[in-house]
Amino acid sequence: DGGITQSPKYLFRKEGQNVTLSCEQNLNHDAMYWYRQDPGQGLRLIYYSQIVNDFQKGDIAEGYSVSREKKESFPLTVTSAQKNPTAFYLCASINGETQYFGPGTRLLVL
Amino acid sequence: SQQGEEDPQALSIQEGENATMNCSYKTSINNLQWYRQNSGRGLVHLILIRSNEREKHSGRLRVTLDTSKKSSSLLITASRAADTASYFCATDSSLYTGANSKLTFGKGITLSVRP
Repeated sequence: DGGITQSPKYLFRKEGQNVTLSCEQNLNHDAMYWYRQDPGQGLRLIYYSQIVNDFQKGDIAEGYSVSREKKESFPLTVTSAQKNPTAFYLCASINGETQYFGPGTRLLVL
Repeated sequence: SQQGEEDPQALSIQEGENATMNCSYKTSINNLQWYRQNSGRGLVHLILIRSNEREKHSGRLRVTLDTSKKSSSLLITASRAADTASYFCATDSSLYTGANSKLTFGKGITLSVRP
């Protein structure tokens, strides 16, 4: 999984709770991405950031928020507005044209 | 939106056989990439083919691209049980590649290689 770490591996969310997924990279890559993967589905882009202090919405940004205060960190917050948050969340960074993925965080709802 | 569509959805073969997986897409691309995902893990990049290339090899992998048909195929030769995984094609249709790239992934193909 390269130099990208995601934590925790499993995360449980209670009704109405915001939770934050961590993504850290030591690859010195500028751009970072958050994807959501549902069972039997491909990856859907939530947010991406091409540079520090800048980020753009992807295809399914509603109910999620991000920040990019440091080059190596791109945390994703799943807010209470996201009504169906149960999924596998993958963070990636890019070098040239190739994306490097972290090991993922599985979010479950209690 | 998912641009790439893989075919078949699932493939089961015997060790030693070749595995062929196909991907079709809808819009013009800069490049097409194949990724592999072991169960419950992140994706690993396998190979990239640019829009001006027709065929590329990497070890036991061979990928072809036909831009006129908007399709690609991934061939894994002499498959091994360790090749069991999900395989995804991803297309990059960005105006500029690199840090400005956005990939669009297909739903994936589940490959099972029987020992």
